[in-house]
Amino acid sequence: AQKITQTQPGMFVQEKEAVTLDCTYDTSDQSYGLFWYKQPSSGEMIFLIYQGSYDEQNATEGRYSLNFQKARKSANLVISASQLGDSAMYFCAMRALNSGGSNYKLTFGKGTLLTVNP
Amino acid sequence: ETGVTQTPRHLVMGMTNKKSLKCEQHLGHNAMYWYKQSAKKPLELMFVYSLEERVENNSVPSRFSPECPNSSHLFLHLHTLQPEDSALYLCASSQMHQGYNQPQHFGDGTRLSIL
Repeated sequence: AQKITQTQPGMFVQEKEAVTLDCTYDTSDQSYGLFWYKQPSSGEMIFLIYQGSYDEQNATEGRYSLNFQKARKSANLVISASQLGDSAMYFCAMRALNSGGSNYKLTFGKGTLLTVNP
Repeated sequence: ETGVTQTPRHLVMGMTNKKSLKCEQHLGHNAMYWYKQSAKKPLELMFVYSLEERVENNSVPSRFSPECPNSSHLFLHLHTLQPEDSALYLCASSQMHQGYNQPQHFGDGTRLSIL
């Protein structure tokens, strides 16, 4: 079974500052993928960044980077230079990476509500 | 045109009504999903279709009936729902390639309220 824990129900950050959103996970799978999604108040889930368990380097996508610490089972999202439009719910998720197996199931955490203040 | 389109965006229905949610993806993906998002709960996977065949059904009550007529369209037929079914229903799609599943892309969701 997989489990995602996001311990921060809410976070505040000043515009233009960096913020880290925490995510820890638990899994018995040897190979897995970690995802971060952003959900604005409109409801759409927007894919932000992906990290494979076998990736040696931390993933980066523009202002988003993933601080992946495999031994600690953490995959924190770092948003640099926060913008007002970054205010949203952020979800950490994971799934197994099994060739030919059932790798459809994406397990989500409960999310962190980020508010960017001007 | 957005990648995954859901209609309607909002739906209010009585417990005895029958309605359907529609999802269409324009990304050329071969797998589609229905998720339920209730307040203060993690997203729950409901159904998965891969190449138009249902490959996962997470113990969803029979009052929810999915249909996947082709790889671009996915429906969720609703019948005799309960108040606890009020939630945001999200559709997603992804590409299965050589057994590996790419990141899922989501629609805007349908916010469903049961009276």
